[in-house]
Amino acid sequence: DIQMTQSPSSLSASVGDRVTITCRASQGIENNLAWYQQKPGKAPKRLIFAASNLLSGVPSRFSGGGSGTEFTLTVSSLQPEDFATYYCLQHYSYPYTFGQGTKLEIK
Amino acid sequence: QVQLQQSGPGLMKPSETLSLTCIVSGYPISSGFHWGWIRQPPGKGLEWIGSIYHTGDTSYDPSLQSRVSMSVDTSKNQFSLNLKSVTAADTAVYYCATLPREKSPYYYYTEAWGKGTTVTVSS
Repeated sequence: DIQMTQSPSSLSASVGDRVTITCRASQGIENNLAWYQQKPGKAPKRLIFAASNLLSGVPSRFSGGGSGTEFTLTVSSLQPEDFATYYCLQHYSYPYTFGQGTKLEIK
Repeated sequence: QVQLQQSGPGLMKPSETLSLTCIVSGYPISSGFHWGWIRQPPGKGLEWIGSIYHTGDTSYDPSLQSRVSMSVDTSKNQFSLNLKSVTAADTAVYYCATLPREKSPYYYYTEAWGKGTTVTVSS
């Protein structure tokens, strides 16, 4: 199974800050990686597909990068609505695996 | 617009079988997409349970493989999850969703999630 190690597990930041979350895969997954945002009590929402492509409607302050085993999700200027938990998901091979999640909190 | 409506019990006793159904509207299951079940234990992260295609092809998480089964009913435009012999460790919010395809990063599909079903296993 492919393990996804996500860091940090939590992050405290202020509105306007730039933050980066990292996911590392235990083996190469090419660019078969998606990023999800989840707010309390809600279903997750996919933000990025193929490691670096924003879905329609996702603000351009979000960006994704990486390929192979190391991936990043960056928010260039945090807005109040961005405080949530973020997960990566590898879909290179079954079983699919999520990262442990990064809880982004307001400082 | 694809919408997923989940149905199933909220409270279960240990050793019972959990059965959840996800009714799809706005898209015929027989047309494709990759359908799946994800769960989230209280205060924890997301766990992939398994996936199913409209053909009935399935993949399951190895840790649940012996207890889980999924099926699709194209006539009712829905797909289902069965989890046998539940224990307290199966307590979680269960979601149905459309998911990316294996080794297909650019595969287009409409993102859709059910609202989640809170399943509590307690004697």
